Amino acid sequence: KQEVTQIPAALSVPEGENLVLNCSFTDSAIYNLQWFRQDPGKGLTSLLLIQSSQREQTSGRLNASLDKSSGRSTLYIAASQPGDSATYLCAALMDTGRRALTFGSGTRLQVQP
Amino acid sequence: ETGVTQTPRHLVMGMTNKKSLKCEQHLGHNAMYWYKQSAKKPLELMFVYSLEERVENNSVPSRFSPECPNSSHLFLHLHTLQPEDSALYLCASSQKTGVGNTEAFFGQGTRLTVV
Repeated sequence: KQEVTQIPAALSVPEGENLVLNCSFTDSAIYNLQWFRQDPGKGLTSLLLIQSSQREQTSGRLNASLDKSSGRSTLYIAASQPGDSATYLCAALMDTGRRALTFGSGTRLQVQP
Repeated sequence: ETGVTQTPRHLVMGMTNKKSLKCEQHLGHNAMYWYKQSAKKPLELMFVYSLEERVENNSVPSRFSPECPNSSHLFLHLHTLQPEDSALYLCASSQKTGVGNTEAFFGQGTRLTVV
């Protein structure tokens, strides 16, 4: 059974700082890994999707990397802004078996102005 | 706007009521999902529909009854719920695994409170 863990659970940084959010998964037989953002009481917004054959994906100030062999993914946020404050979730889609995403518990990010 | 719309956004119901949550996707996807998000817990998968067929039921109590009349619509029928069922219910859609881009898109959720 796939398990996804995110560290840290919460993070507070001053505006302008570069930061890294970590995600690990126990079963490396993934089809893809997806990063989401969730604002309080709202749904999930897809940020980046990395296919199992890819090493990284970039969108603006966001860069996500994937290392299947070690069961890790990181989300790098450059030059953080107060508007980046949200909960960030990673989720793994398995290659076989379960046909839906397995989620981590998320990292709650606060960027101080 | 993610292309996945959920209604209602908020719902308060008594334990003896019957209500339904609705989800509609305008992305041409062929798989739809219900997730439950409770406080301080990871998102829990409830149901998966692929090509309008239920392919996964993740040990969900029978007081939750899903319905997928076509590939664009998904319902969650609720009856005789318990207070511990209060949560944010999220709908998602994607292309089914193994068919091109399987990026998942979520609706805004229905905040359900059972009193």
